Amino acid sequence: EVQLMESGGGLVQPGGSLRLSCAASGFTFSNYDMSWVRQAPGKGLEWVSVISASGYTKDYADSVKGRFTISRDNSKNTLYLQMNSLRAEDSAVYYCGRHIGGSYRVFDYWGQGTLVTVSS
Amino acid sequence: DIQMTQSPSSLSASVGDRVTITCRASRGISNSLAWYQQKPGAVPKLLIYAASTLQSGVPSRFSGSGSGTDFTLTISSLQPEDVAIYYCQKYDSVPLTFGQGTMVEIK
Repeated sequence: EVQLMESGGGLVQPGGSLRLSCAASGFTFSNYDMSWVRQAPGKGLEWVSVISASGYTKDYADSVKGRFTISRDNSKNTLYLQMNSLRAEDSAVYYCGRHIGGSYRVFDYWGQGTLVTVSS
Repeated sequence: DIQMTQSPSSLSASVGDRVTITCRASRGISNSLAWYQQKPGAVPKLLIYAASTLQSGVPSRFSGSGSGTDFTLTISSLQPEDVAIYYCQKYDSVPLTFGQGTMVEIK
């Protein structure tokens, strides 16, 4: 069974940093592109960042470029999101998502999410 | 960047009704369009990708169509368990943009 489990969320002050993790199991993690998607309370879905299966290719939404860094450790089946210079507007539930494969950057599995709150 | 616009923002229909949700891209995206269902308190669930390919396990009352800039998600016979917010997502290139969502309720 495919499972994705996020951790690392919490309350942080504006300008602070957090590192999110997503532990994957039930599939060959190193074969799949992965993304982070966030959802502010009561709002819609916003894609944040994607990383290729190998980890060599990374892309970011303009809203987080230069502040967030996506990475992965295929030996540990874990995806990461390093978030620096956090702002109030970064407050959201952060989901990791698996892409379905091939050329389809479509999400077939999602974690349950981890809540990030940026507030003083 | 390409913008994705869904309409309507919300709708209310009776059980058994045919429901159609539209998603429009600001530029052509071929058939690189997916639809998701997010029930209250749950994570999104993939319904359709490649504009019209039904994801495994999704009921056949859900269907998708379209290409280029205009896409539709159709529920042929609305069921109580279909109450949710529905999102489209383009994936031709980054950014992977979602529509703003359409809330479907039972009348």
